[in-house]
This record gives sequence, C-alpha cells and structure tokens, in this order.
Amino acid sequence: AQKITQTQPGMFVQEKEAVTLDCTYDTSDQSYGLFWYKQPSSGEMIFLIYQGSYDEQNATEGRYSLNFQKARKSANLVISASQLGDSAMYFCAVTGELYGGSQGNLIFGKGTKLSVKP
Amino acid sequence: DTGVSQDPRHKITKRGQNVTFRCDPISEHNRLYWYRQTLGQGPEFLTYFQNEAQLEKSRLLSDRFSAERPKGSFSTLEIQRTEQGDSAMYLCASSLGTGGAGNTIYFGEGSWLTVV
Repeated sequence: AQKITQTQPGMFVQEKEAVTLDCTYDTSDQSYGLFWYKQPSSGEMIFLIYQGSYDEQNATEGRYSLNFQKARKSANLVISASQLGDSAMYFCAVTGELYGGSQGNLIFGKGTKLSVKP
Repeated sequence: DTGVSQDPRHKITKRGQNVTFRCDPISEHNRLYWYRQTLGQGPEFLTYFQNEAQLEKSRLLSDRFSAERPKGSFSTLEIQRTEQGDSAMYLCASSLGTGGAGNTIYFGEGSWLTVV
C-alpha cells in the first residue's frame, strides 16, 4: 500500500522568495517514482518534476527542485524565485515501479495551496 | 495541441441519466489512466489501460462505471444511472509506461460532471 502525506494545507510566500512544500510518503515497493503536479484554479494538472527512487541525484526542472531524502521518506518540492503565477494547488504523488516501468496506480496527497503575495 | 485531450469539458446531467467521456492520449503513449477528483481532494485512481488491455481497476469503479480503449488509442468512460455522488472532475492521463522519465504521467484538462 502507498500513502502520501502533505501536512501544509496552505502556504504563503512573498514574490521572488523561495518556498518549500513538504511531502512524506509511505510505500512497500522497493522501486517507486515520485511526482509533483501543479493544479491552477482552471483545474488542469500540470506535471512539474519526477524523481525515481534509485536516482542518486535530486531532480531539478528550471525553478523546481526536489529535496529527496530516501531514508526519511520525504520528497519536498522547492520553488525558487516565486512568481505570482505559481499560486495554485500542488500535489505530491507516488507510484510503484516494477522492472523500471510504472505500475500505473498513482497515489496523490491532499495537496498544498500555495499563495504568492506581491 | 499534442497533449491529452478530453471531451466534453463540462457536463450537467440529471440523476439517472447516462454520461460518456472521451479521452485522447498523447500520441504513442501506451498507457492511459482515468482518475476522479472531488473538491478539496487529490485525484483518486479509477483504472488504467496498457494499450487496449484494462490492467487495473479501483474499488471506486462501481458496476455503473465502464471504461474502454478498444483500439489502444482513445478511451471512453461511461457512467450509467448517474447519482449526485458522481459529481466530480474526471481526469484522463497518459504515459509511455517505460522506465525513468517515461513513467511521467501527463494529465488532460479534465471533464467536470455535475449531476442534478
């Protein structure tokens, strides 16, 4: 069984500052993938970043980076230089991976609502 | 537009009616997923296909729900005898299903269902 915990229902950050969104996970799979998605008020789920459990380096995608601490089962998202357009819901998710491929069932947390203040 | 597309984007239906949603995945993506999202919650997995084969179904997928992907390309999700509890956003997603970055799952914009 897999579970994602996002303990911050809401976060505020000043424009141009960095912010960290917390995510802890629980999985019995030896190999798994971690994802972060952004969901603006329009509803679309936008992929931000992916981290494989066997990746030794933390994933980075532009202003997004993932602080992956496998022993602590945490995968926090760091957004640098926040912009007003970053205001949205952010979801952390996990899926098992078998033989290098996704097992399909992506389990999401409840999300964190990020508000960027001008 | 080469992303996942869903149709219709919004649907209002009366309780007891049937509704069908269509999803066109990203070209060459072997895997296609359906999720449901209610207000204030993260998406919940419903089912997924590897090509035309339906490989996994959630317990959330009651017998009123049926999903198909007959030719391994587009998929449909039908809800029969809709109930007010079916009101939600239905999200379709697709992925290559291979290792590493190929596991990335891309979502469509969702289909909002309101049952009145």
